[in-house]
Amino acid sequence: GAVVSQHPSWVICKSGTSVKIECRSLDFQATTMFWYRQFPKQSLMLMATSNEGSKATYEQGVEKDKFLINHASLTLSTLTVTSAHPEDSSFYICSAGDPNQPQHFGDGTRLSIL
Amino acid sequence: QQQVKQSPQSLIVQKGGISIINCAYENTAFDYFPWYQQFPGKGPALLIAIRPDVSEKKEGRFTISFNKSAKQFSLHIMDSQPGDSATYFCAAGRNYGQNFVFGPGTRLSVLP
Repeated sequence: GAVVSQHPSWVICKSGTSVKIECRSLDFQATTMFWYRQFPKQSLMLMATSNEGSKATYEQGVEKDKFLINHASLTLSTLTVTSAHPEDSSFYICSAGDPNQPQHFGDGTRLSIL
Repeated sequence: QQQVKQSPQSLIVQKGGISIINCAYENTAFDYFPWYQQFPGKGPALLIAIRPDVSEKKEGRFTISFNKSAKQFSLHIMDSQPGDSATYFCAAGRNYGQNFVFGPGTRLSVLP
């Protein structure tokens, strides 16, 4: 079946650092990729939707300048958390989809900001 | 209109029992209803999904029942196993390529 790879799976860094998370669709061309944030024991909160070659659409309350999303190709989207602070610590999950199949999720990235 | 309600919040079932999780939606434009299973530290994995043109879909031990008029759907896990212990999310959306609205999740524990 379709596989979505997310990297890194876990990152720890100092406050003020920028962190880039990659999301790759391995066996299909993802016209749309979604980025979610999940707090412990809570549901997935959509942060933004990105379509290949165009600007991402951010959900209300999500800072565009803090969470930079790039979807440069049909198989790769990146989320960069700029100048990360402890409150940005969370589990970030991407998913990829196209009109012919449901969303498939990556395994998530656990971000810890010290 | 975009909310998906899910119950129960947590569920404990004995091995071999039936686990039932219920969801309700409001937006009648939704036409795709997937269920995702998530283990700790992992991303959600698609378990089973249904479209409103059928009232039931079965895949192995997992069955979705769908009631279009009531705007409700449920997941039944037959012969529940300890390996089924996970968090289950229902979701609703308009089609594959668009965003889903997720329910708050149900933490299932199957006792050995």
